[in-house]
Amino acid sequence: SQTIHQWPATLVQPVGSPLSLECTVEGTSNPNLYWYRQAAGRGLQLLFYSVGIGQISSEVPQNLSASRPQDRQFILSSKKLLLSDSGFYLCAWSGGVSYNSPLHFGNGTRLTVT
Amino acid sequence: AQKVTQAQTEISVVEKEDVTLDCVYETRDTTYYLFWYKQPPSGELVFLIRRNSFDEQNEISGRYSWNFQKSTSSFNFTITASQVVDSAVYFCAPRTGTASKLTFGTGTRLQVTL
Repeated sequence: SQTIHQWPATLVQPVGSPLSLECTVEGTSNPNLYWYRQAAGRGLQLLFYSVGIGQISSEVPQNLSASRPQDRQFILSSKKLLLSDSGFYLCAWSGGVSYNSPLHFGNGTRLTVT
Repeated sequence: AQKVTQAQTEISVVEKEDVTLDCVYETRDTTYYLFWYKQPPSGELVFLIRRNSFDEQNEISGRYSWNFQKSTSSFNFTITASQVVDSAVYFCAPRTGTASKLTFGTGTRLQVTL
């Protein structure tokens, strides 16, 4: 069966520090991968998605970036965090581009920028 | 332009009551899927059910039932005999054949009390 791992679960970082969140998927190949962010008490905002190694689509211009160095690995990064980067970050995968495939989410990383 | 609306911000019910959550998806696309997710207080997003846009037959899965009205682009999700464990935020999210991503509604917070 497929599983998705996301870490760390919680993170407290000072403004201006770098960020690296990692997500890996097991039990499937060539998944679509996604990073979403949820600000406190708000809905989910798609940040990046990837349909293959090295292919990244950005939805929201900001100081975050994403990379997919391996088929089942998706990394969210920032060189310098802002206070507004605080939130709940969720990684997800889906089985290819078929539009009847649901997204399956990791447990999320709660990031607090101080 | 596509728009997904969850007009109900918060719903409170007493345990064992039935509750219906509304979602309206306005789009020019004729074929799409709509997914419902549950986000309990722990934060993870759990996929519940999906429904396509070309079949108006109602569906039932356990305590969940699903009604789609094409004329109003309205997807209603009903929980029968609600339980305290159903307390969560519920999101609807459409996905069309032209997009690899899910766009989430703003969510409906359901509180089930004893």
